[in-house]
Amino acid sequence: DTGVSQDPRHKITKRGQNVTFRCDPISEHNRLYWYRQTLGQGPEFLTYFQNEAQLEKSRLLSDRFSAERPKGSFSTLEIQRTEQGDSAMYLCASSPGQGGSPLHFGNGTRLTVT
Amino acid sequence: AQSVSQHNHHVILSEAASLELGCNYSYGGTVNLFWYVQYPGQHLQLLLKYFSGDPLVKGIKGFEAEFIKSKFSFNLRKPSVQWSDTAEYFCAVILSGGYNKLIFGAGTRLAVHP
Repeated sequence: DTGVSQDPRHKITKRGQNVTFRCDPISEHNRLYWYRQTLGQGPEFLTYFQNEAQLEKSRLLSDRFSAERPKGSFSTLEIQRTEQGDSAMYLCASSPGQGGSPLHFGNGTRLTVT
Repeated sequence: AQSVSQHNHHVILSEAASLELGCNYSYGGTVNLFWYVQYPGQHLQLLLKYFSGDPLVKGIKGFEAEFIKSKFSFNLRKPSVQWSDTAEYFCAVILSGGYNKLIFGAGTRLAVHP
């Protein structure tokens, strides 16, 4: 179990720029999730993939956000025209296909928008 | 909307003190319940989980939690905390029929003083 890997660990960007984060899930896990965590809050669900299909998106995911998982393996989360309110920790998690299986989280990407 | 409430945002204890962290959820259907822990600088890790059966579940590092269905609660306990338990603790639920999507509480930050 090599764990869920996220890249980069930290990203500082200026308002208005686009950023892209990558997540590599545990290899045999077909479910992949993106969450966002701000200070003093628990992680908030953003979106979910089963294999390459994006099956659910939160209302938190505005039109500036897009996520992909093209081959059902790694995933990317892109934020266009970043705003200061996008500053947060972006977490990726994966789980196997069985219902109720725990999610395994990566270390996250901390985004700071200046 | 479904939600998870954690009663204490910050808890400060001395080593060897007993710990109980409250968690309540609002959902009338079947749930799977989890406690995750996040040590400083590390990723979220599963502490314990409840799916069905014995409502008293034991997790890693001497933690346990009790599911009380009538109270919609899943409180976390440890009889004697250690300095190494200093971390943030998150209660989370997966709703039946969902995509294994975890809904988190806001977290409780625990500081244990030697």
